[in-house]
Formats: sequence, C-alpha cells, structure tokens
Amino acid sequence: GENVEQHPSTLSVQEGDSAVIKCTYSDSASNYFPWYKQELGKRPQLIIDIRSNVGEKKDQRIAVTLNKTAKHFSLHITETQPEDSAVYFCAAIGSGGSNYKLTFGKGTLLTVNP
Amino acid sequence: KAGVTQTPRYLIKTRGQQVTLSCSPISGHRSVSWYQQTPGQGLQFLFEYFSETQRNKGNFPGRFSGRQFSNSRSEMNVSTLELGDSALYLCASSLTANYGYTFGSGTRLTVV
Repeated sequence: GENVEQHPSTLSVQEGDSAVIKCTYSDSASNYFPWYKQELGKRPQLIIDIRSNVGEKKDQRIAVTLNKTAKHFSLHITETQPEDSAVYFCAAIGSGGSNYKLTFGKGTLLTVNP
Repeated sequence: KAGVTQTPRYLIKTRGQQVTLSCSPISGHRSVSWYQQTPGQGLQFLFEYFSETQRNKGNFPGRFSGRQFSNSRSEMNVSTLELGDSALYLCASSLTANYGYTFGSGTRLTVV
C-alpha cells in the first residue's frame, strides 16, 4: 500500500521567513496530494491540494510543488506569521488497496517566532 | 453550508465497554471515512463508506466496525474497548473520496 514520509518533524522559523515541508510517497499511481493544517485541539483543515497532472499550485502565501518522477511533493509558506504555527500534515491517495483513503505523513510542528 | 458534524465531542468509557460514534457529512457528500488520531501513530485510516457500501478498510481489529445510512450519515462502533483505543476519532466527508476531504471536529474517546 501507499506510504508517505514527511520531513522535518519540527520546524522553527522567524516571523517573515519562509518554511518548507517535504513529503515523499511510494505509490507511483497516487494522483491527489492535499495538505492539512491542524491547530491544537482543532480539526485538520485543508489548506491546499494538488493533482498529479499539475506541477505547482499557489494560493497567496502558500504553494505546493509536485515532482512525480521523484515521487515527492512540498509545501512552501512564505512571509510566515505567528498564526501559521500549527501541525501540518501531507497526505496522498493511492491506487488499488490505497484508493478511497488518505495516507498521511506523521506531521510537522511549525513554530513561527515573533 | 454546514460542515461535518460529529457527536459526541467527548466520551469516557471503561475497558470492556462498547461505544458508537456518529458523523453527519456535508450535504451532498456521499463518501464518509473515519480516521484515528493518536500522538504516537498519527492519523490512521479506519474505513470508508460510499452509498452505504464499505469500499476500503484499514488495518484495525474486527472490534472496529462501521456503517452508513441511506442519508449518508455514518456511525462507527468499537466493541470491547481497550486502553489503547483512547484517541481522537475523526470523520471526513467527500463527494467521491478521490479529493476534497473535509474533516469534522472529532470525538475524543478516553478509555479508563
């Protein structure tokens, strides 16, 4: 089945800096890659997603890039703000037995220091 | 539009008991999936239902079961509770389960 690895597990940046979180996946047939933000005690919220036929997608300060050949995708947050502090999860939807389900990375705790 | 609604928000149960959790998806969403979130294991897939049919199941013991009703609402049941079942149980709904998952706020289950 699908396996998703996420790095780093913790990331600390200064306000205004950029943050990058990377994920790799194992199923070459995976076709959908969302990113979720989870604040303490709250539900995971979808912040951006990308399909396998697109290489990059941007939404204001957030962007996701996908490299299908290398089977990795990354989240880029520019001009970070303290309210960006949260746990970020990458996920993938695979094929076959990994279809109809999100396989998540272990998460990255992002801390933005004012 | 209303989001994904999970009830109850919190539960405390004793080992050996059973529990039923409920999830109402976003109107029009026919796919409902369940995830267990723990600090050690992260977010793990339990099962997914679409039009009352289970299409995929995760690697959990048979004590974990679920169902979906004709109005797309779903329930999951855990029998013979163990201490290790303490977790946040999250439900997510989607139009088709191939994209666009929205999560509910979860049910925090504590087994004592």
